[in-house]
Amino acid sequence: NAGVTQTPKFRILKIGQSMTLQCTQDMNHNYMYWYRQDPGMGLKLIYYSVGAGITDKGEVPNGYNVSRSTTEDFPLRLELAAPSQTSVYFCASSRTENYGYTFGSGTRLTVV
Amino acid sequence: GQNIDQPTEMTATEGAIVQINCTYQTSGFNGLFWYQQHAGEAPTFLSYNVLDGLEEKGRFSSFLSRSKGYSYLLLKELQMKDSASYLCAVRVEDSNYQLIWGAGTKLIIKP
Repeated sequence: NAGVTQTPKFRILKIGQSMTLQCTQDMNHNYMYWYRQDPGMGLKLIYYSVGAGITDKGEVPNGYNVSRSTTEDFPLRLELAAPSQTSVYFCASSRTENYGYTFGSGTRLTVV
Repeated sequence: GQNIDQPTEMTATEGAIVQINCTYQTSGFNGLFWYQQHAGEAPTFLSYNVLDGLEEKGRFSSFLSRSKGYSYLLLKELQMKDSASYLCAVRVEDSNYQLIWGAGTKLIIKP
């Protein structure tokens, strides 16, 4: 049982480049989330989805975009990377909003 | 505004008991979560409290007082593998599925 799978684990981007962080879950969870984690700060929600075809902005959506065409996949797109997007990104899923989240292993992104 | 406070770092001895506190000031309350995060790894779910009182799960217990805006995570019979950060997160009533996360408490276990 793979749980939540994120790729890549590490990435270095140049300012202005774009990339997609992949996230796949095999637990048939409807709820999926993208977070970023910066040193000394709490996790910040970027985008979330409550089911295929439904996405909504979280606390820090600027500079990012998402899609949810299937229950399993929830990719995060970074357009025009900026140094402020240097962070660790986590994808997570849950059965409902009141269940514990299952997190992916994270993507460590550096923008130079 | 929304605010969650946790101590930044705590130290405890192997085999002992430690209590990690979390206080919150939020616009409404709809449940509190505790997660464990080892360095360089993803958070893993520990507990969920929505009603006042103590929830026990093996060596870990979590307590909630909604009137005081306060929770704690109690770890008993500490083991070296319990060295990790412990994250407190609150779901607020008008959050539309969002959790407000504390910055986490780094717990260091010494032999």
